[in-house]
Amino acid sequence: KNQVEQSPQSLIILEGKNCTLQCNYTVSPFSNLRWYKQDTGRGPVSLTIMTFSENTKSNGRYTATLDADTKQSSLHITASQLSDSASYICVVSAEKGNTPLVFGKGTRLSVIA
Amino acid sequence: NAGVTQTPKFRVLKTGQSMTLLCAQDMNHEYMYWYRQDPGMGLRLIHYSVGEGTTAKGEVPDGYNVSRLKKQNFLLGLESAAPSQTSVYFCASSPTGQNTGELFFGEGSRLTVL
Repeated sequence: KNQVEQSPQSLIILEGKNCTLQCNYTVSPFSNLRWYKQDTGRGPVSLTIMTFSENTKSNGRYTATLDADTKQSSLHITASQLSDSASYICVVSAEKGNTPLVFGKGTRLSVIA
Repeated sequence: NAGVTQTPKFRVLKTGQSMTLLCAQDMNHEYMYWYRQDPGMGLRLIHYSVGEGTTAKGEVPDGYNVSRLKKQNFLLGLESAAPSQTSVYFCASSPTGQNTGELFFGEGSRLTVL
């Protein structure tokens, strides 16, 4: 069964610190993996997409990694800001046509002053 | 830029009542989707459309109907609401399909069924 597992479920860090969120998946055949940020009361917004051949991709203070062999991805946030407080959702796409995307349950990040 | 707009944002229904959620997008996207988001679960696909006049079932379609009469609009209907349909509903659109393209989400519609 195609699944996406994210850890930790929730995380509290001090402003200015770094953190890393994890995503493990069993989706096959793999097409791509996206990280979305969802602010409270808002819809998810895409941060980055990782394809099979990509290992690392950055978007400002966000850096995503992908290890297609171990089927793991991580999202590293550098120098966290209060505005980084949100849920971060890992979404994996299979190669086949209209196969539904597989969503993780998300990691709830709280950045405190 | 409006993007994807959902109405209403909040609604309370009694069991057995019907209602329609409206999703409108101004990005000329072919693909549109309805998801539900429940605590402790990932987003789940209810129905989707690959173009004007088309609809298809997703993972959890029971109890819902949809229509895509115009390219920019995607309606989600509940014919006889049940407490199990209490959820936050998200509409999304995509230019190239969910498996390759980025999903653009609306702000969500919070539905409570008593």
